[in-house]
Amino acid sequence: AQKITQTQPGMFVQEKEAVTLDCTYDTSDQSYGLFWYKQPSSGEMIFLIYQGSYDEQNATEGRYSLNFQKARKSANLVISASQLGDSAMYFCAMSSASEKTSYDKVIFGPGTSLSVIP
Amino acid sequence: GAVVSQHPSRVICKSGTSVKIECRSLDFQATTMFWYRQFPKQSLMLMATSNEGSKATYEQGVEKDKFLINHASLTLSTLTVTSAHPEDSSFYICSASLADSYEQYFGPGTRLTVT
Repeated sequence: AQKITQTQPGMFVQEKEAVTLDCTYDTSDQSYGLFWYKQPSSGEMIFLIYQGSYDEQNATEGRYSLNFQKARKSANLVISASQLGDSAMYFCAMSSASEKTSYDKVIFGPGTSLSVIP
Repeated sequence: GAVVSQHPSRVICKSGTSVKIECRSLDFQATTMFWYRQFPKQSLMLMATSNEGSKATYEQGVEKDKFLINHASLTLSTLTVTSAHPEDSSFYICSASLADSYEQYFGPGTRLTVT
């Protein structure tokens, strides 16, 4: 069975500092994708970054980077130069294609609540 | 980018009634739509996967007779919560994906309160 683990229920970071949000995953699939989403208090899910299991380079999107360590099955999110608007819930997620279907199903980790301190 | 809308954004209904939530892909045709449920301070739990023109695939533990899903077109999927109870109160989020695309596009969510 597939599983996403986020061991940090809550994190604090000083404004302008960098922060790493941890994510480990478990899957027996060879091909899968890893995502990070941000969910502010409004509830909308905001896509941040994606890493494919066969991608050799770590994904980067602006201030977000994904530290992908395939052998350790970890996909940590690094946010550089934190801003007050970064305060939100962050979810790590994984998709993999079922052999029986043509679509990818996404499962989510429990989330980490990030608070940026002025 | 691709936009997914949900309607209504908030709904309050009485126990025993049914409520329908719509999920629309506004500027693209979604081959697959997904329905999630999120309780306060918890993660998103996948309820079911909806493919246009076929029956929805429900996750284990989700009652298909209680949560009716209809995917009438490539741009619309509906979730009907039948005979709602207070424990059905939750945040319901849909997402849509394109064929051969890894990304899911999420709707803004619907907050359901059953009194």
